[in-house]
Amino acid sequence: DARVTQTPRHKVTEMGQEVTMRCQPILGHNTVFWYRQTMMQGLELLAYFRNRAPLDDSGMPKDRFSAEMPDATLATLKIQPSEPRDSAVYFCASGRTENSNQPQHFGDGTRLSIL
Amino acid sequence: AQKITQTQPGMFVQEKEAVTLDCTYDTSDQSYGLFWYKQPSSGEMIFLIYQGSYDEQNATEGRYSLNFQKARKSANLVISASQLGDSAMYFCAMREGPGNQFYFGTGTSLTVIP
Repeated sequence: DARVTQTPRHKVTEMGQEVTMRCQPILGHNTVFWYRQTMMQGLELLAYFRNRAPLDDSGMPKDRFSAEMPDATLATLKIQPSEPRDSAVYFCASGRTENSNQPQHFGDGTRLSIL
Repeated sequence: AQKITQTQPGMFVQEKEAVTLDCTYDTSDQSYGLFWYKQPSSGEMIFLIYQGSYDEQNATEGRYSLNFQKARKSANLVISASQLGDSAMYFCAMREGPGNQFYFGTGTSLTVIP
């Protein structure tokens, strides 16, 4: 089965460091979503791309977070500089827009710990 | 207003019994889709079942069924014959039309008791 691939699976780093998370959406999917999941806030939408164009990044702290899709096979989420409060699981999901019945398919997530 | 509301933070069910997880939604669109996802303790998000706003029949997928009541704007997940492996977080989600973002509820933690 086709899967959304996220790297790295785990990341531990010190505050102030740059963190880059990568996502390879399922081939043929034209929407990509980035989510952050914490115990306190639950699942939060950070950014959303359709056909590689950013449509909504209102959930993302603009001063330190950035999301891009340099090509159809790669989406990136960067945090610079990182802070302990950024510790969370970051999920990427992809989907197709042709029909509203298409679900998002999630990657396994990147578990980020900022010390 | 919340787009998706899940009012049960935690639920318990005896193994082999059926359980209903509640979900209500808020939209003024005529065309939308409703989804349920399962997140076991291992962390992955697994798509379970879909219901379209124009579908007249309730969706079913194996032991999962979706009790869709459009007038009440509810889309409850029914799990029949619960198994220990059903213990997980369950998220209800909605998409208003193709290509649009998904709205997720806060989730319900289900524990199946042997």
